[in-house]
Amino acid sequence: RKEVEQDPGPFNVPEGATVAFNCTYSNSASQSFFWYRQDCRKEPKLLMSVYSSGNEDGRFTAQLNRASQYISLLIRDSKLSDSATYLCVPYTGRRALTFGSGTRLQVQP
Amino acid sequence: DAGVTQSPTHLIKTRGQQVTLRCSPKSGHDTVSWYQQALGQGPQFIFQYYEEEERQRGNFPDRFSGHQFPNYSSELNVNALLLGDSALYLCASSSPGTHQETQYFGPGTRLLVL
Repeated sequence: RKEVEQDPGPFNVPEGATVAFNCTYSNSASQSFFWYRQDCRKEPKLLMSVYSSGNEDGRFTAQLNRASQYISLLIRDSKLSDSATYLCVPYTGRRALTFGSGTRLQVQP
Repeated sequence: DAGVTQSPTHLIKTRGQQVTLRCSPKSGHDTVSWYQQALGQGPQFIFQYYEEEERQRGNFPDRFSGHQFPNYSSELNVNALLLGDSALYLCASSSPGTHQETQYFGPGTRLLVL
């Protein structure tokens, strides 16, 4: 089983829609999680850190389910500018970050 | 406040050649990590440098080597290039003093091996 698994998508949604992605992880020792967003041909940028059961930042909400070993990212009121690939990263305290392959979101007008 | 910078932005090499990529960390950061990102994949960890020493390495062959300088900047060297080394090479900086050692990425160097 891969350390991190994400649905590659693409998720095609209209502007204003709510969309959610899941990310499953295999290492139960994962202490916290990062969501990075990556625009086409650009570097990953930190979107959100999750240290407990979840986190909320404006239109973005992350929820962690440790029992089932997955973390979700919910985006409300999608904007065209939200179109990107979203990368899930469980943090185990090791120095190397292990990325999923990402979920591609395309928000359409 | 300067972020992570990398040079060059793009590079074209032929098989068998050698390449050196450079990275300057974000101000206040002393740790540099290198990642390789193939098309359609997430970044894969190559190695991390701290106090001028490699302190962790991913599953990459010895053709991949690095160095960190006293000013915390870093180089990634790849010898005997293969076609499969074509990828986006990302540098990330962090500081052990920060929460969870959050890593911030530079814009990357896009390497094409012909």
